[in-house]
Amino acid sequence: QSVLTQPPSASGTPGQRVTISCSGSSSNIGSNTVNWYQQLPGTAPKLLIFRNNQRPSGVPDRFSGSKSGTSASLAISGLQSEDEAAYYCAAWDDSLNGRVVFGGGTKLTVL
Amino acid sequence: EVQLVESGGGLVQPGGSLRLSCAASGFTFSSYEMNWVRQAPGKGLEWVSYISSSGSTIYYADSVKGRFTISRDNAKNSLYLQMNSLRAEDTAVYYCARPVPGIIAGMDVWGQGTTVTVSS
Repeated sequence: QSVLTQPPSASGTPGQRVTISCSGSSSNIGSNTVNWYQQLPGTAPKLLIFRNNQRPSGVPDRFSGSKSGTSASLAISGLQSEDEAAYYCAAWDDSLNGRVVFGGGTKLTVL
Repeated sequence: EVQLVESGGGLVQPGGSLRLSCAASGFTFSSYEMNWVRQAPGKGLEWVSYISSSGSTIYYADSVKGRFTISRDNAKNSLYLQMNSLRAEDTAVYYCARPVPGIIAGMDVWGQGTTVTVSS
């Protein structure tokens, strides 16, 4: 059972906008920044969003992040077939002497 | 090119030990914090351990505390994970990952991973 809660699946058609939610608590999302990863099958994760809404260089602006209270969201606009992947949220958690916590992951299917 | 390359994975019996290594290149390794993250077959990502740039601050996930030891050798640009008392549930691909400075949970550089299988 993951500390951060994500829906296990999401879907959309090409060109559509989809959002993936990530719910946490006061010890993680509520007091620290949220990061998002994309993982294509058989590959290492790739950082998509850090510090809630910042994109590393090279990440298209179709990907955006937001945070409110103890929840966060990843939005993907202009959905493309290559966006089909697993997406994970992550944050620092202040409990238990400090740790990184991940969401369980959301498998995005492009229909 | 910024790169992380893990090695040391393999098949080990329950209760056994293994030492993973992560060789860093293309950046000033001694200036960066580092993490180990693992992924069991068909499962999600699980953070394992963190070490500060100097090695003075270390954190572990509860699931590995007391059994795993993270360390680094800045002179050799290398990160390590000593894994003892291995269990079947430690079977996973292990990644070393470099956080964005000051954002431990935001890792912008990842290795390709090394596979650890714990089985008799």
